[in-house]
Amino acid sequence: GESVGLHLPTLSVQEGDNSIINCAYSNSASDYFIWYKQESGKGPQFIIDIRSNMDKRQGQRVTVLLNKTVKHLSLQIAATQPGDSAVYFCAEKAGGGSEKLVFGKGTKLTVNP
Amino acid sequence: DTGVSQDPRHKITKRGQNVTFRCDPISEHNRLYWYRQTLGQGPEFLTYFQNEAQLEKSRLLSDRFSAERPKGSFSTLEIQRTEQGDSAMYLCASSFVPDQETQYFGPGTRLLVL
Repeated sequence: GESVGLHLPTLSVQEGDNSIINCAYSNSASDYFIWYKQESGKGPQFIIDIRSNMDKRQGQRVTVLLNKTVKHLSLQIAATQPGDSAVYFCAEKAGGGSEKLVFGKGTKLTVNP
Repeated sequence: DTGVSQDPRHKITKRGQNVTFRCDPISEHNRLYWYRQTLGQGPEFLTYFQNEAQLEKSRLLSDRFSAERPKGSFSTLEIQRTEQGDSAMYLCASSFVPDQETQYFGPGTRLLVL
């Protein structure tokens, strides 16, 4: 069935540390994955995405890793800053003609100064 | 800012009333999506349009919900006979396919049904 979830609901890190947010998905047919950041009262903000034919993609201070063997997705944030504090969602596109994104419940990241 | 815009940002209504929300996508984006998000949860897909055609609807979209995109630009989402369970954040997103499939979200409309 469709299920995108996160291993940890909360994550607390010190400013300057690296953060790793994990996500498990269950649909092996999913061909596209995306990470969003959502601050309180705002809409989700695109961070980075990756297609299923890749296993790693890098952006500015962020890296997404995709392990299709174990159906696991992770978001790495380098040198975490207080402005990175937010809820992070992973989402997958199930494919099979559907264009909808299926979201997990999110991980709340808190960056301590 | 030329991002996705939504109006109103907040709406308080009484149970049984009808409400309508508007979404303006990023200019020239041909796809427009509606999602609903309740507190502590991730967004849930409702429906999407490619240009003016509504191509996919979720089972969440009951017969009290209707969405339109008459000219392939802005879209409206109407909820008739609102119920307390309709209280949520209603999010709109847009994308431009086939060049880029990233869905960019607007700020949302927060609905409270009393």
